[in-house]
Amino acid sequence: GGIITQTPKFLIGQEGQKLTLKCQQNFNHDTMYWYRQDSGKGLRLIYYSITENDLQKGDLSEGYDASREKKSSFSLTVTSAQKNEMAVFLCASSIWGGVYFGPGTRLTVL
Amino acid sequence: QQKVQQSPESLIVPEGGMASLNCTFSDRNSQYFWWYRQHSGEGPKALMSIFSNGDKKEGRFTAHLNKASLYVSLHIKDSQPSDSALYFCASPRAGGADRLTFGKGTQLIIQP
Repeated sequence: GGIITQTPKFLIGQEGQKLTLKCQQNFNHDTMYWYRQDSGKGLRLIYYSITENDLQKGDLSEGYDASREKKSSFSLTVTSAQKNEMAVFLCASSIWGGVYFGPGTRLTVL
Repeated sequence: QQKVQQSPESLIVPEGGMASLNCTFSDRNSQYFWWYRQHSGEGPKALMSIFSNGDKKEGRFTAHLNKASLYVSLHIKDSQPSDSALYFCASPRAGGADRLTFGKGTQLIIQP
């Protein structure tokens, strides 16, 4: 089996700050994803990457950048944190037929 | 674009009872569906997938699919307190087998 690790687990930022979230997977999966989870809104796709150095925008990419420099890692940057923003950011990886999620990074913006 | 609607938003079931969760989807070309479960403080984990019309049973969990009615459901028999979680249904979006569109989830609470 494999595992997806997300760091940090909790992230507190200030309005306007640039914040970076990191994700590592050891499944050796080609495709990785970043989803945002807000209470009552399900999971929304921010970015995904089908291979190293590939980036594809999802439904919610505005205000975010992503980077896939290695097959095993995928990072997400919040370019300018919004005041009172609270959400969980979930990293995932997949191979045909199965999507595996990490435990999430919980973001709070003061 | 695939739309996935879940109902109810929340559900309380007594321990030992049957929990029934519903999901409708918009894309008639959808080929398969997933049910995911998320316990508090964790990421979602895949419970089961269903490809064919009819029922698929895995232990206490039964998924039902009716493609003509654009409907999929999940039934949990003999519900346990550990089944208390947020449940999502998901279906692939056009052009991406693993790029899933998720519903907003059903919060299931099993009362001891």
